[in-house]
Amino acid sequence: GQSLEQPSEVTAVEGAIVQINCTYQTSGFYGLSWYQQHDGGAPTFLSYNGLDGLEETGRFSSFLSRSDSYGYLLLQELQMKDSASYFCAVRDSGGYQKVTFGTGTKLQVIP
Amino acid sequence: NAGVTQTPKFQVLKTGQSMTLQCAQDMNHNSMYWYRQDPGMGLRLIYYSASEGTTDKGEVPNGYNVSRLNKREFSLRLESAAPSQTSVYFCASRPLVSDEQFFGPGTRLTVL
Repeated sequence: GQSLEQPSEVTAVEGAIVQINCTYQTSGFYGLSWYQQHDGGAPTFLSYNGLDGLEETGRFSSFLSRSDSYGYLLLQELQMKDSASYFCAVRDSGGYQKVTFGTGTKLQVIP
Repeated sequence: NAGVTQTPKFQVLKTGQSMTLQCAQDMNHNSMYWYRQDPGMGLRLIYYSASEGTTDKGEVPNGYNVSRLNKREFSLRLESAAPSQTSVYFCASRPLVSDEQFFGPGTRLTVL
């Protein structure tokens, strides 16, 4: 099975940069995805890394290293609206569609 | 496009009652998923359907059944609700060539 671990909480200052880590133990997966979820809302997709390296989408970047079983989400120029929970996720390889989400990181952005 | 829709938005059940949560997507996606999310927790996969006519168990399937009625609709049934099933239930869909999942607004279920 799959297991993805994240820090439970992170606090950062508005305008700063924050990194949210995701370490995993898997038996094979296609790539690493990241989702954002505001309190009371549904998860929304942020980014995907199918290959090792950095993917950039505006203020958000995501990184994957399969050799280190590690990935991270980088949020730059933090805004108050970035306060939310962030989840990493993987989809099983080998023809299956099963998806496993990480434990989630609650980000609090302070003035 | 409405995306992914779920009904009902809220539901209160008594222990032992049954109900079906409905989910539909209008994006022609092949894969659909049901998750539960307990307070302060991550999403746990209950069941998924890779395509019309197929369903598979996820991480926490006990106490649930699903039906992939057609490509658009994927329902989740609780045959005999228990307080441990109090949770927020999310349905999601995913296109064939992407890992991006599109989530519905969720159903907030309380079992007394």
